[in-house]
Order: sequence, then C-alpha cells, then structure tokens
Amino acid sequence: DTGVSQNPRHKITKRGQNVTFRCDPISEHNRLYWYRQTLGQGPEFLTYFQNEAQLEKSRLLSDRFSAERPKGSFSTLEIQRTEQGDSAMYLCASSLGAFRGPRQETQYFGPGTRLLVL
Amino acid sequence: TQLLEQSPQFLSIQEGENLTVYCNSSSVFSSLQWYRQEPGEGPVLLVTVVTGGEVKKLKRLTFQFGDARKDSSLHITAAQPGDTGLYLCAGATAGGTSYGKLTFGQGTILTVHP
Repeated sequence: DTGVSQNPRHKITKRGQNVTFRCDPISEHNRLYWYRQTLGQGPEFLTYFQNEAQLEKSRLLSDRFSAERPKGSFSTLEIQRTEQGDSAMYLCASSLGAFRGPRQETQYFGPGTRLLVL
Repeated sequence: TQLLEQSPQFLSIQEGENLTVYCNSSSVFSSLQWYRQEPGEGPVLLVTVVTGGEVKKLKRLTFQFGDARKDSSLHITAAQPGDTGLYLCAGATAGGTSYGKLTFGQGTILTVHP
C-alpha cells in the first residue's frame, strides 16, 4: 500500500502525559500537513512542511505542540502535558507540492490517530 | 482568514432522491477538493476542481466549481445507502507562503435510508 500511513491509530492517555504520533507520507510527496478534527467538524489546519522545513504553524498550535520532519520523509507530532481539550482525531496529509500546479497540490489523507485524554 | 461555508450541515433522504451540497466563500481558491469521510477514518478524495466553471462527473456525483473560483457544489443523483457519510469541501489557498493549504467547510452528514 503506497498511501499515507499514521501510527498509532488510537491513543488513550492520562492528562499531563506526553504523546507522539507518526505520519509516513506518500513517497515523493514534498509537502506534509497536520490537521486536527473534532467530532462533527471539518479538519483544522495545524502545520505543514515543505521537505524538512516547517513553513507555517497555526495559532491553534500551542507551545505544547511540536512537529518535526527531520529528513523530509516521515513526520512526528508531539503533544506535551496533554489536556482533555486535546482529545481529537489528528490527521496527516501529503501532496506533491513544490508549486507544481494546483492539481499537484491535491492532498491525500492518512487514516488518522484518534487521541483520548482522560 | 479564509472561511468556507458548507450547507446543509445535515441531510436525511430516501434512496433514489437527488441532493445538492453547497460550499461558499468570499475568498478565491486555487483549487477546491471534495472528500468523503467514514467514521473513524481519514477523508478520502473524491475530486479536485481547478478551473472556474469546471464540471466533473464521477458516476452519479457531479461537481461544479464556480466561475470566480469562490464556490462549489456537489450534486448526487439517485442517492443510495452506500452514499451515506460525511462530505467535506476544502479550498486550497491561492498564493503566498500558504499556497496549497486547505480550509475545510464544516461538513455535510448525509444519511440515505433504504
């Protein structure tokens, strides 16, 4: 399967704990995006990478959130000192990117990681 | 800040009926994508429309991009129970460092009853 993969699919943690999610994009895709989705809502943009460079972060991304894409391939999203309000589906998407044109900007999503903070 | 208004939020219809979902914005998008999402899964791409006025058909689904690239619609003909799901429209930012970033509508939860 050459689609976007995310691990773990589900994570239950206690308030105050740190969690880390991983995303493996479609190979040769330069751009990688992170979104957060709560029940009944559309996904909200968190941050994105062009290769290894983090180009934009949303104001939704507090200091407790950090994302990396060290070699321009897979990415990790870490949440420190989790709060109950962090409970959501965390989605990763990738696109060819690199300003190749609007059709090449189409984003393909992974299955998501559902986080529950108790 | 770009906003995308999607309507209706909920749609409950009988098998065989037609329906239309709308997405509207005051912002211009470089492209607009439609996704379908099942509970507990990520969004699955249905179509990307790029050119103003573009119409794309995918079996019983017809997608249209507005002439000014600010709005879009999804029309389903003769809906079937298998069409049930969350439909999302997403507009891609047209320029600047945010080029390609998606702004999503709130989603339309479609239920088709047999």
